[in-house]
Amino acid sequence: AQSVTQLGSHVSVSEGALVLLRCNYSSSVPPYLFWYVQYPNQGLQLLLKYTTGATLVKGINGFEAEFKKSETSFHLTKPSAHMSDAAEYFCAVSDQGGSYIPTFGRGTSLIVHP
Amino acid sequence: SQTIHQWPATLVQPVGSPLSLECTVEGTSNPNLYWYRQAAGRGLQLLFYSVGIGQISSEVPQNLSASRPQDRQFILSSKKLLLSDSGFYLCAWSAGGRYEQYFGPGTRLTVT
Repeated sequence: AQSVTQLGSHVSVSEGALVLLRCNYSSSVPPYLFWYVQYPNQGLQLLLKYTTGATLVKGINGFEAEFKKSETSFHLTKPSAHMSDAAEYFCAVSDQGGSYIPTFGRGTSLIVHP
Repeated sequence: SQTIHQWPATLVQPVGSPLSLECTVEGTSNPNLYWYRQAAGRGLQLLFYSVGIGQISSEVPQNLSASRPQDRQFILSSKKLLLSDSGFYLCAWSAGGRYEQYFGPGTRLTVT
C-alpha cells in the first residue's frame, strides 16, 4: 500500500527566501509523484508531476521537485518565495500500472512573511 | 481545452435536508471522475470515483451517494444531511490511462 508523509503541517518563510516543502512516500512499485497547490477557497491545481525520465521536474510558478528513489522523497522547492505563494501544498503518489486513485499527503500550509 | 464546473459554489442547508451537488467536465470524453471532501484544517477524503457511466465506487460508507447519469456529469447526493457533512466538496477528473487529476473550484457546504 502507498503512503505519503509531508513533514510539517506549516512552513513559514520570508519573502525572497528559499521554499522547501518535504514529501516522503512509500510504494511497492515505481511511483508517479505529484505536487498540487490549493489557494484559499479554491480547488487543487497541479503544480508538477514525475512519471519517468528526468528526476528533476519543473512546474508552474517557478517550483521544481526532485525524485530521489534512494531516499523515497519528492521535495518541492522554489529559490525565492513570493507573497502569492502562500497556499496549501499537497504531495500525492500513484503506483505505476495500478489504481488511478492517488494517495494524498495531509498537506503543508506555506506562510510567506513580508 | 478541458474545463470542470461545480455548482453551487456555496450552500447552507439545515440538518435533515436533501443535497445535490453537480459536476460537469467539458472538452474530454470518458474521464475518470472523483468526489472528495475536505473538512476544515484536514486533508482530502475520497468519497466516490467512477470510471464510466453508471460505474460508481464508494470509498467511505456514509449517508452520501453518487451517480453518473452522463459521461461527463457526476452528481453527489444525500437524502438527509448530517452536521458532519459540512465541508468543502471537490470534484476532479483524470483522463483515461493518466494519473494526474484536475479539480473543480469546489462547493462549500455548511449544514446548520
